[in-house]
Amino acid sequence: SQTIHQWPATLVQPVGSPLSLECTVEGTSNPNLYWYRQAAGRGLQLLFYSVGIGQISSEVPQNLSASRPQDRQFILSSKKLLLSDSGFYLCAWSMGVGGPQHFGDGTRLSIL
Amino acid sequence: GQQLNQSPQSMFIQEGEDVSMNCTSSSIFNTWLWYKQDPGEGPVLLIALYKAGELTSNGRLTAQFGITRKDSFLNISASIPSDVGIYFCAASPGSSNTGKLIFGQGTTLQVKP
Repeated sequence: SQTIHQWPATLVQPVGSPLSLECTVEGTSNPNLYWYRQAAGRGLQLLFYSVGIGQISSEVPQNLSASRPQDRQFILSSKKLLLSDSGFYLCAWSMGVGGPQHFGDGTRLSIL
Repeated sequence: GQQLNQSPQSMFIQEGEDVSMNCTSSSIFNTWLWYKQDPGEGPVLLIALYKAGELTSNGRLTAQFGITRKDSFLNISASIPSDVGIYFCAASPGSSNTGKLIFGQGTTLQVKP
């Protein structure tokens, strides 16, 4: 069966510091991968998605970037964090057209 | 752009009551999905619907894919305290290999024991 792992679960970072959040999927090949951000009590905002290795599409202009160095690895990064980058970050995967997305447990990011 | 209108935004009910929530859109979709998110966790898929008019149950949960393909509802029967959480509808036009979904803004459910 397929599983998705995100780490770390929580992270506290100072303003201006770099960021790297990692997501890996097991048990499937060539999945579509997604990064979302969720503000407290709010809906899901799609940040990036990828349909293959090295392919990244950005949904909103922002202080973040994403990379997919391996088929089942998706990384969310920033060179300098802003206060507005605080939130709950979720990684998800899916297979094929119209298939459901499956989410990781998320990373709670707090910027001080 | 495509948008889902999910209602109600929040519900506070007594244990044992039935719950109904829905999502509507002006756009046509080929897939409707319902997720539940517990506090501090990622959303979990509850029900997936792939055919207009389809009615699917998962335990006490029942969801339907609207015949017009522009809406879907989720019913929860005999609510229990562990039903607490945020419920999201999601839909896919099914026309792209990106697998991108459109999400509703969520319905927050609170259940009083």
